[in-house]
Amino acid sequence: SQQGEEDPQALSIQEGENATMNCSYKTSINNLQWYRQNSGRGLVHLILIRSNEREKHSGRLRVTLDTSKKSSSLLITASRAADTASYFCATALNQAGTALIFGKGTTLSVSS
Amino acid sequence: GAGVSQSPSNKVTEKGKDVELRCDPISGHTALYWYRQSLGQGLEFLIYFQGNSAPDKSGLPSDRFSAERTGGSVSTLTIQRTQQEDSAVYLCASSPILLSGQDNQPQHFGDGTRLSIL
Repeated sequence: SQQGEEDPQALSIQEGENATMNCSYKTSINNLQWYRQNSGRGLVHLILIRSNEREKHSGRLRVTLDTSKKSSSLLITASRAADTASYFCATALNQAGTALIFGKGTTLSVSS
Repeated sequence: GAGVSQSPSNKVTEKGKDVELRCDPISGHTALYWYRQSLGQGLEFLIYFQGNSAPDKSGLPSDRFSAERTGGSVSTLTIQRTQQEDSAVYLCASSPILLSGQDNQPQHFGDGTRLSIL
């Protein structure tokens, strides 16, 4: 069953604008990860946030985590055409190296 | 190569045939995962290998699906008597050894095998 659900399913913006994607999940987690997938390619890891963290930054990416609401958001600032991709959140239920549970993703289109 | 390698990149076969998909993980990565991605969907976990431990097969959708990992490196996912609903992209990922107290390591993905069952 799907653990995470991203919102919105699709997002279209202009270069330079910010893009915000949300993820909700159902059960307690150890950490939450965001991945990007370009068309026809595999997934690329972007950022990991632990359950005891509330916010994390990496370059133009900002991730928040609210465990009380079981939700996370990914903000991409000053977007570029190269950011066009699908973005997935994935949850790890425990600390051991078990499989991640992915949502269905948000498809982001950035036009120049 | 430096990344996870999957072959073939595309596979078209007739319903009822068996197929084998190969994954060559990053050297030294002890964990290996197989996922399935149907059109417009997220990733569905299939099977997970960690070192010499028994694999976690809880995601395999039917007994037509099986996987092995020889010598702790290359893995093969086999689908017997393929059905049209097996059409999907099959993604393999690997991650480094998980030491005590560490969080899950990011997973490194190959570009997948696009399987089409006619």
